[in-house]
Amino acid sequence: GQNIDQPTEMTATEGAIVQINCTYQTSGFNGLFWYQQHAGEAPTFLSYNVLDGLEEKGRFSSFLSRSKGYSYLLLKELQMKDSASYLCAAHSNYQLIWGAGTKLIIKP
Amino acid sequence: GAVVSQHPSRVICKSGTSVKIECRSLDFQATTMFWYRQFPKQSLMLMATSNEGSKATYEQGVEKDKFLINHASLTLSTLTVTSAHPEDSSFYICSASTQWGNQPQHFGDGTRLSIL
Repeated sequence: GQNIDQPTEMTATEGAIVQINCTYQTSGFNGLFWYQQHAGEAPTFLSYNVLDGLEEKGRFSSFLSRSKGYSYLLLKELQMKDSASYLCAAHSNYQLIWGAGTKLIIKP
Repeated sequence: GAVVSQHPSRVICKSGTSVKIECRSLDFQATTMFWYRQFPKQSLMLMATSNEGSKATYEQGVEKDKFLINHASLTLSTLTVTSAHPEDSSFYICSASTQWGNQPQHFGDGTRLSIL
């Protein structure tokens, strides 16, 4: 079957670093998306990894290991506005398999 | 960047009413549009995928006759919830992609539908 897993909730401190993991099992895997969703709002695109390795975009970085079926989103210098849910989605055979999302709580 | 406009943002109506939600790609041609539903504290649930000029592909368990999808142009798709009931109350979100495969989906702001 196809499934994708990520932690339900994480807590971190303002200014710190947090890593949100995502593991997946899919057929015909093409790439892995990360989205940010604030409460009551639609998701916004963060990153798309196709090749193995780390891609950095400012304070956010995303990593992919295709052989391990594993990805993570790394958030540095956390700000209160980063409090949101982070969704990973595996692109597989012309469909997206969505994770349930990780709710990230930032404390001062 | 790619912008998707979704309208209306909020609808409150009586049971039995049909509600139409519009999704427009403002600065790109969306070959594929997606309709999602999201209940509180749950993940996105894909309802259907539509390609311009062809019939939508519905996910298992989604009633085609209740959730009518029209994708008449490369910039507009509509979702009509027919004879809505309280259990249809949810957050409906559309997304669009220029080239389904290796391009991200860009989301509209969502429509919060409340059926009384």
